[in-house]
Amino acid sequence: QKEVEQNSGPLSVPEGAIASLNCTYSDRVSQSFFWYRQYSGKSPELIMSIYSNGDKEDGRFTAQLNKASQYVSLLIRDSQPSDSATYLCAVNMEDAGNMLTFGGGTRLMVKP
Amino acid sequence: DAGVTQSPTHLIKTRGQHVTLRCSPISGHKSVSWYQQVLGQGPQFIFQYYEKEERGRGNFPDRFSARQFPNYSSELNVNALLLGDSALYLCASSPDPRAETQYFGPGTRLLVL
Repeated sequence: QKEVEQNSGPLSVPEGAIASLNCTYSDRVSQSFFWYRQYSGKSPELIMSIYSNGDKEDGRFTAQLNKASQYVSLLIRDSQPSDSATYLCAVNMEDAGNMLTFGGGTRLMVKP
Repeated sequence: DAGVTQSPTHLIKTRGQHVTLRCSPISGHKSVSWYQQVLGQGPQFIFQYYEKEERGRGNFPDRFSARQFPNYSSELNVNALLLGDSALYLCASSPDPRAETQYFGPGTRLLVL
């Protein structure tokens, strides 16, 4: 069974610190990887996408992908209390159109 | 530009009833996907529709069905509701099924009593 796994947390970091969120996936042919942020009671909001090995930076966010290790991560620099949310890792399997397989999410808490 | 819209926002039903949820994609988007998100879990794929045809189906029972209309809006129908169907139902739209990015609507929260 194709799976995406995340540590459910909560991950607690102090304001201004770097938050590191991790995700592993089981399907070796996965091509596209996404990080969504979901505030309590709200729908997922896309914050980063990554398609090739290496790092991709967007403001305070950096996504890292290692296809050989089947591992994708999200770093949040200078964490703010407003970053407190659940972060969902999603993977687009090669033969599944753009159907997304989501992990269970990691709850991040940034403490002032 | 209007994003993905869904109706209703909240819904309470009892076991055995059926429910219809509605979704309007972003203007110009022709592909709609439905996801179920049970509290504390990530979203699970239910259906994808493109040009009124089903393009993908997740591991859900036949009680779940959907359709897409000529204006690309979509309905998700669930029959014989079970307590376990209580969840946030999310609609996502994209220009086509191969597009990398999907945009989620606000969701419909269904509570089955």
